[in-house]
Amino acid sequence: SQTIHQWPATLVQPVGSPLSLECTVEGTSNPNLYWYRQAAGRGLQLLFYSVGIGQISSEVPQNLSASRPQDRQFILSSKKLLLSDSGFYLCACSENTEAFFGQGTRLTVV
Amino acid sequence: TQLLEQSPQFLSIQEGENLTVYCNSSSVFSSLQWYRQEPGEGPVLLVTVVTGGEVKKLKRLTFQFGDARKDSSLHITAAQPGDTGLYLCAGGTGNQFYFGTGTSLTVIP
Repeated sequence: SQTIHQWPATLVQPVGSPLSLECTVEGTSNPNLYWYRQAAGRGLQLLFYSVGIGQISSEVPQNLSASRPQDRQFILSSKKLLLSDSGFYLCACSENTEAFFGQGTRLTVV
Repeated sequence: TQLLEQSPQFLSIQEGENLTVYCNSSSVFSSLQWYRQEPGEGPVLLVTVVTGGEVKKLKRLTFQFGDARKDSSLHITAAQPGDTGLYLCAGGTGNQFYFGTGTSLTVIP
């Protein structure tokens, strides 16, 4: 079964600083990969998904971007963070009809 | 963006009571999943349903997929404090998974 590694677990960044969150997947090849953001106690908002290397689809236009430089690596980035970028970010991969998640990154922009 | 609405948003019940959580959408999904999430962790898959009208049971949890594959319900019998958490439904269509708005359940001992 697949394992999803996501880091860091927590991050505090000043407004205007850059961001790079990394996600790697083990135990599967050519997975669909996803980045979600979650407000406290609420559902997940799909930000980006990727069906292959270099293939990124954006669901919601915002201050973030994603890249997939390798088959099992998915990176979420920003050039300049905003206060509104604070939240809980989750990386996921899917096989068939099911999605599996990393442990998440709690980002606080101050 | 597909939208899945869950109800209720918050639920606080006594241990031993029964409850039902609903997940509704105007879109048809090829599959629907239910997840449970603990604070500060990623969601964990509970069940996947793929056939309209399908019913699956997982111990005290019963999941049903609507006939039109647009909605689902989660019923918990004799709730226990260990059932406390955020319950999320998710609809799969093509390469995307869209998540519901979430139901925060608290079971009081």
